[in-house]
Amino acid sequence: DAGITQSPRHKVTETGTPVTLRCHQTENHRYMYWYRQDPGHGLRLIHYSYGVKDTDKGEVSDGYSVSRSKTEDFLLTLESATSSQTSVYFCAISEGDPDLNTEAFFGQGTRLTVV
Amino acid sequence: RKEVEQDPGPFNVPEGATVAFNCTYSNSASQSFFWYRQDCRKEPKLLMSVYSSGNEDGRFTAQLNRASQYISLLIRDSKLSDSATYLCVVRNSGYSTLTFGKGTMLLVSP
Repeated sequence: DAGITQSPRHKVTETGTPVTLRCHQTENHRYMYWYRQDPGHGLRLIHYSYGVKDTDKGEVSDGYSVSRSKTEDFLLTLESATSSQTSVYFCAISEGDPDLNTEAFFGQGTRLTVV
Repeated sequence: RKEVEQDPGPFNVPEGATVAFNCTYSNSASQSFFWYRQDCRKEPKLLMSVYSSGNEDGRFTAQLNRASQYISLLIRDSKLSDSATYLCVVRNSGYSTLTFGKGTMLLVSP
């Protein structure tokens, strides 16, 4: 299995508090992604990174920010958590060259509940 | 139109049956295609890439029809352990992000 670790694996937090999720990889892959998965919506891209300090927005980026100060770490921050951000969050990594048929590998997910 | 569409199922089949899933994509510039498998409350895992000429991996066969913009997955001799959700995934040309369908649930019964 690809070396991807997400932390924490489970978290319950209160509305209005900031929350940071961490994704750590040992594969030295260039691309890292944050997805959320909700019933009826499937996996939706929040933000992604194509290198250290290089990030871009995905489909559902409102209310989220990211940072990548090292190749191996990609942080997702919910600036002020809302109940609509209750979800399962997956980190993924990829070698990512758009010209190659490269797949993404996923972490085990973080279950976040905002109460 | 959704970028990647799948029938959500569930597909209920007995062990040993053959089952096929289809997926359609809307962007004709899509370049790479994959099938992922996701077990309940687990992360998605790559099942197989889909190549233009079609490809097979054991009991699994994937086909790509670029003209009609659909991808298929055929599972022969279904096993109980095949019960999962199957995700159709597309990468658009020149982009490093993947777009996922919502998945098709398969339930294989004894």
